[in-house]
Amino acid sequence: AQKITQTQPGMFVQEKEAVTLDCTYDTSDPSYGLFWYKQPSSGEMIFLIYQGSYDQQNATEGRYSLNFQKARKSANLVISASQLGDSAMYFCAMRERYNFNKFYFGSGTKLNVKP
Amino acid sequence: NAGVTQTPKFQVLKTGQSMTLQCAQDMNHNSMYWYRQDPGMGLRLIYYSASEGTTDKGEVPNGYNVSRLNKREFSLRLESAAPSQTSVYFCASSPADRAHTEAFFGQGTRLTVV
Repeated sequence: AQKITQTQPGMFVQEKEAVTLDCTYDTSDPSYGLFWYKQPSSGEMIFLIYQGSYDQQNATEGRYSLNFQKARKSANLVISASQLGDSAMYFCAMRERYNFNKFYFGSGTKLNVKP
Repeated sequence: NAGVTQTPKFQVLKTGQSMTLQCAQDMNHNSMYWYRQDPGMGLRLIYYSASEGTTDKGEVPNGYNVSRLNKREFSLRLESAAPSQTSVYFCASSPADRAHTEAFFGQGTRLTVV
């Protein structure tokens, strides 16, 4: 079974609007971390935001927030007020406590921000 | 602040040639990783090393070997390159003692096997 599933290969959003990128995960470990990375066309992997499985509140970092629904095993990334520079690939990833040497990545979502 | 440094950034190989991708990190991390990235497939783990002197296979280890030379360096070797190994390769590192710390990535190596 896939550990991380991103079901949106590509998305479009209008500049200044909000967009949600979906991520679901599969684990039986009660302790885990969820991560989102951005990969612009230049290729580097940029860490955006982290959510711990025991965190009571959704993580936020500037215009990025994570909509964490533990019972549904989803960790969607919300980008508010989209900017042209947000056009990139976005990857969701997970790290489990009992298997903490591995990061599991989804297949990514390509976001295009339209002017 | 170097972080994770990969060399080379680009490489073209002929089928059957060998090469080693180099990776070094200066953050004193125990865990290091090699991933490959192919269109539509995300990042797939080739090998990882939890600490100096240990290495383990990931999802797609066939055709690759690794060496954890010391705590800083983790190299990936292609003994006999094949066109199927055309990909972008990323090295990453992370502290090994927690599950809640992100991985830090190198800039990637774009490898083409012809």
